[in-house]
Amino acid sequence: EIVLTQSPGTLSLSPGERATLSCRASQSVSSSYLAWYQQKPGQAPRLLIYGASSRATGIPDRFSGSGSGTDFTLTISRLEPEDFAVYYCQQYGSSPTFGQGTKVEIK
Amino acid sequence: EVQLVQSGAEVKKPGESLRISCKGSGYSFTSYWISWVRQMPGKGLEWMGRIDPSDSYTNYSPSFQGHVTISADKSISTAYLQWSSLKASDTAMYYCARTDIWSGSLDYWGQGTLVTVSS
Repeated sequence: EIVLTQSPGTLSLSPGERATLSCRASQSVSSSYLAWYQQKPGQAPRLLIYGASSRATGIPDRFSGSGSGTDFTLTISRLEPEDFAVYYCQQYGSSPTFGQGTKVEIK
Repeated sequence: EVQLVQSGAEVKKPGESLRISCKGSGYSFTSYWISWVRQMPGKGLEWMGRIDPSDSYTNYSPSFQGHVTISADKSISTAYLQWSSLKASDTAMYYCARTDIWSGSLDYWGQGTLVTVSS
């Protein structure tokens, strides 16, 4: 089973700042099968990025994904108030797994 | 509009059985898989397994294999997650999600079903 490790666990930033979230895999992941999700309290997760770098429908362009192999990154170029949430990466190999999440909180 | 509507919250006792549902609409139900995801209180997301509604082929996370059963009835565009004998540790929110066959991404999610198991 591929283990995804996200860092940092918590990111304290101010609105307007840039957020960089990391997702590292225990073994190589096909870029086609790496996704990022946002979850706000009391809500279901929402797909942000699929295929490592493609934005899902309706996702603002301040969200971008990059990476390959074992290292992937989600970048939020300028944080808006509604972006403070928990973010998860997910790989879809033979047995899909999620990372443990990164909480982006208001500083 | 794509929608996944899950059945309502459940309160059960240990040892009881349970089946929760997820009804898809607004798309071709047999063209996408359905995945189930667990979220225990205050914790992260765990992928449990998925089903191809076109032929009911399933695969499960090793962590959930043998503990739950995923099924689907394509005639009513509904997927199910069931337990034969609940434990207190099954207390969690359970989400179904439409799963893209090509990318494996979970592009639409149900609202979640809260299952509480307590004596």
